[in-house]
Amino acid sequence: QVQLVESGGGLVKPGGSLRLSCAASGFTFSDYYMSWIRQAPGKGLEWVSYISSRGTTKYYADSVKGRFTISRDNAKNSLYLQMNSLRAEDTAVYYCARVGPYGGNSLPCDYWGQGTLVTVSS
Amino acid sequence: QSVLTQPPSVSAAPGQKVTISCSGSSSNIGNYYVSWYQQLPGTAPKLLIYDNNKRPSGIPDRFSGSKSGTSATLGITGLQTGDEADYYCGTWDSSLSHVVFGGGTKLTVL
Repeated sequence: QVQLVESGGGLVKPGGSLRLSCAASGFTFSDYYMSWIRQAPGKGLEWVSYISSRGTTKYYADSVKGRFTISRDNAKNSLYLQMNSLRAEDTAVYYCARVGPYGGNSLPCDYWGQGTLVTVSS
Repeated sequence: QSVLTQPPSVSAAPGQKVTISCSGSSSNIGNYYVSWYQQLPGTAPKLLIYDNNKRPSGIPDRFSGSKSGTSATLGITGLQTGDEADYYCGTWDSSLSHVVFGGGTKLTVL
């Protein structure tokens, strides 16, 4: 069965860095686009970034552009999010999600991990 | 403030039907497919509807989606207490060049 397991969250000071990882299993990872989506405490969903199956195309939300970098290692079935210059407003649960194989134009995510909490605070 | 507009809350009795609206513009809903997600308390979101009205395997036909112009609607029939959750719409926005979500709607089954 499809499994996505995030790791790497924690407490970090403003201006600091953190690298999130997502270990994928149960499907051919290299065939799928992947996304990071976050949710601040008590708030709604905010899409962060996505990466194409081969890693050649990447998109970012304006709120993280220039500070976050998405990447993947298809040999290791892993997705990453390097987060630099972290701010208090980046505090959220970060979800790794698989973009479904539906061929549409809106990147629906059919499987999600359990999330990892990132807290940015001094 | 979210790019897609949803009502903050809706409610209905068990067994009844409820609809949740999602309003956007020509740069998003008007030209792209809409997805809907259900987030039960304390859990990760779950895909309910993709491409406006299609259900992934395992999603009961009590859940339906539709789109007209720059608005989309999620319908849930035969409401159950287990349907109490937050529901989000999502799509691509060509002006922003990224995915956008609605602010979420909390469903209460009275």
